[in-house]
Amino acid sequence: QQQVKQSPQSLIVQKGGISIINCAYENTAFDYFPWYQQFPGKGPALLIAIRPDVSEKKEGRFTISFNKSAKQFSLHIMDSQPGDSATYFCAASKYGGATNKLIFGTGTLLAVQP
Amino acid sequence: NAGVTQTPKFQVLKTGQSMTLQCAQDMNHEYMSWYRQDPGMGLRLIHYSVGAGITDQGEVPNGYNVSRSTTEDFPLRLLSAAPSQTSVYFCATRQGNSPLHFGNGTRLTVT
Repeated sequence: QQQVKQSPQSLIVQKGGISIINCAYENTAFDYFPWYQQFPGKGPALLIAIRPDVSEKKEGRFTISFNKSAKQFSLHIMDSQPGDSATYFCAASKYGGATNKLIFGTGTLLAVQP
Repeated sequence: NAGVTQTPKFQVLKTGQSMTLQCAQDMNHEYMSWYRQDPGMGLRLIHYSVGAGITDQGEVPNGYNVSRSTTEDFPLRLLSAAPSQTSVYFCATRQGNSPLHFGNGTRLTVT
């Protein structure tokens, strides 16, 4: 059962453009929503995360927008750069607790063309 | 500080063979887990452990065994490899509410 749905599967953006990746979750108990970035041959690494007490979180060129009523959240990459080319995974879980399990989306392969 | 170390990096097995994927961490993290990554499927949780002597199943545990005898190590065992287990395997750890910290993976091919 896929509890976190991610789209698009792949994305091509020109340098300087905005990249947008969307995710939707089903479990209303989830209250922790991270995004991970993965480069080829490496493991995923945390990029940015949000809790439902805010509707938006920004770190540099990366912004998470969160819509609790729609059970959706998205990653926006402003001024996209070729170095941003990677696979991006959204994820969701309950926050805190030793046994909370992080459920991942299916991933988005982003290519930023120079 | 090595973080999460996975060995081997690559492995080819024949159907029916057994092997153990190793995961070692030097961060004293209580939580350790194994994920598999497949195209179009994302990362799926196989097994996890919240401390030495404690393990539990994730989303896709069938065909895999784990044990946790020390805080540092969390090996994943394939007792009888099948082509469906061809995948990239990641070990990930965390402490408390810290983010998951991943190793660089083991790419396994079963022929």
